[in-house]
Amino acid sequence: EVVLTQSPDTLSASPGERVTLSCRASQSLTSSFAWYQQKPGLPPRLLMYGVSTRAAGVPARFSGSQSGTEFTLTISSLQSEDFAVYYCQYYRTFGQGTKVDIK
Amino acid sequence: EVQLVQSGAEVKKPGESLIISCQVSGYSFTSQWIGWVRQTPGKGLEWMGSIFPGDSDTRYSPSFQGRVTISGDKSLSTAYLRLTGLKASDTAIYYCARSGTASIFDYWGQGTLVTVSS
Repeated sequence: EVVLTQSPDTLSASPGERVTLSCRASQSLTSSFAWYQQKPGLPPRLLMYGVSTRAAGVPARFSGSQSGTEFTLTISSLQSEDFAVYYCQYYRTFGQGTKVDIK
Repeated sequence: EVQLVQSGAEVKKPGESLIISCQVSGYSFTSQWIGWVRQTPGKGLEWMGSIFPGDSDTRYSPSFQGRVTISGDKSLSTAYLRLTGLKASDTAIYYCARSGTASIFDYWGQGTLVTVSS
């Protein structure tokens, strides 16, 4: 079974900063990989799928990439509405989440 | 507009059973998988199982095998999650979500809070 380990657990950043979130897989994966954003009291929202394809309505400041077993979500210029928890997913396995909060 | 609307919050006692519904609209119920994902503070997001309502093909997580049943009613465009033998550790928010292949969940229900307490 695949294990996804996200880092860091919490990332403190300021609006306008470029931030990078990591998700490392315990084994090689296909491209069936996704990122979700979750805000308090709401369900997760699909952000990215197929490693680097943005879901409908997701701003271009979000991008995804892969290098080996490490997957990365980058927010090029953090906006106030981006402070949330981010989860990675491969098939039926989720990472533990990275919380992005205000510095 | 695709919508998944879940039934309301539940309070249960240990050992009881739970049924949550998820009514979909805005697309053909029989054409996409519906998955159930629960969220707890301790274990984060956990996939419990999925159903393809078109042919009732169902898959379950080994973590819940034997306690969970997922079903669908095509006439009501509604999927159901049944969980038996409830424990305090089943206290969680339960979500239904639509997925295509590879279990990528593109639309989610609003969540159903389930509290298990004696």
